[in-house]
This record gives sequence, structure tokens and C-alpha cells, in this order.
Amino acid sequence: DAKTTQPPSMDCAEGRAANLPCNHSTISGNEYVYWYRQIHSQGPQYIIHGLKNNETNEMASLIITEDRKSSTLILPHATLRDTAVYYCIATKSGYSTLTFGKGTMLLVSP
Amino acid sequence: EPEVTQTPSHQVTQMGQEVILRCVPISNHLYFYWYRQILGQKVEFLVSFYNNEISEKSEIFDDQFSVERPDGSNFTLKIRSTKLEDSAMYFCASRLGAGGQYEQYFGPGTRLTVT
Repeated sequence: DAKTTQPPSMDCAEGRAANLPCNHSTISGNEYVYWYRQIHSQGPQYIIHGLKNNETNEMASLIITEDRKSSTLILPHATLRDTAVYYCIATKSGYSTLTFGKGTMLLVSP
Repeated sequence: EPEVTQTPSHQVTQMGQEVILRCVPISNHLYFYWYRQILGQKVEFLVSFYNNEISEKSEIFDDQFSVERPDGSNFTLKIRSTKLEDSAMYFCASRLGAGGQYEQYFGPGTRLTVT
């Protein structure tokens, strides 16, 4: 799986958009970009994933650059409950085990 | 909304004892996983399971570990003789199909404390 690089921490004001970047410059053509988050020691929560097109669901939007070397997770209106560690993971097809890094600690403040 | 469930939420055991952690994956899912997270560290893959056999395992998953799907709903992780370093959160996950387009859904975890 391609290595991903994320900033260790970010801050965001409540109600503002949170834009979390991820670099995956060595991603291969069959690797998907997944985003999960983990609040305290709870189980990782699936957010969104994509291959090459931008994706949007009820939680977030995923913007993948045209060369697929980086992506941005967008939480459009961050709330205090979005404070969590966010993981960007590149994973191949097949059994697709997930390799978690250290992620980005997002702190949403009032 | 379907979800992965795990029991117990917290298990305390003495070193050398056997423990079984239980998971009920989402009902129509076919692929099952165990991960663990030692306090303050990353989430680590242990094992994946499909069609009643292990499909992949990590270096952590040694002979002390085993997995089983004893019936159509449960998926278990057994640690034969627990060590202090087995203390961690253990997460079960499941997914519908193979292929990178299928996301994994995680359970809430079991906190295992070995004393």
C-alpha cells in the first residue's frame, strides 16, 4: 500500500469548514484513498473513499487531485463532535487490510 | 443502520489465561478482520478471514492467536495464553465484498487488560 503523509494536528473553529490534507505521491492506479476517524479509543469510523473522482456523502467531501498524488477531506461545517484523529489510508483491491498511520488530530473549538 | 457489535466491552484476565473476544459482523458481510490498538499507539492489523479460512495475517498473529466463525453470525478471536503485552483495544471489522471499493466497518472494540 502507498505511504500517506498527514499533518499531525490541525485546528478548526466550530461551524467552519475543516480541510484535512493527505499526501500519497506513490499511490498506484488500483489503490483507493480511504478516510476514517477515531474518537478517543472508539472503533475507527468510516467516512468516505474514492479512486480518482471527487466524492461526497452526508459526512464529508473528498477531493482527489488529477494526478492522484494528494487528496483533501472536507468537513463542511465542523462541530465539536468532529474532534477526532483522522486517518488517510491508501489500499489496494483484494482483501484490502487497512494500514493505519498516526493520522491528523483535528481539534474543533467553539 | 446495521453495525458491528463486540462483546465484552471490557475484559480483565490474568496472565496465562485464555480469552475469547466475540464479534457479530454485519449480517451480509463476507470478509472479517481483527485489529488491535495498544494504548497511545497505532491501530494494527492482526488477521483477515474469508470463506472460513484465514486469508492474511500479520506478524503479531502468532500461534497464541486463533480465529473462528463458529456459526453464521459470530466471529471470535482467541488468545490461548495471554501476556501483559496483549493488553490493548481489539477491534473487529467486516466488509461486504473484495475490492478496494468496499469499505470496512468497525465495531466499538473490546478493551483487554492482562494483569
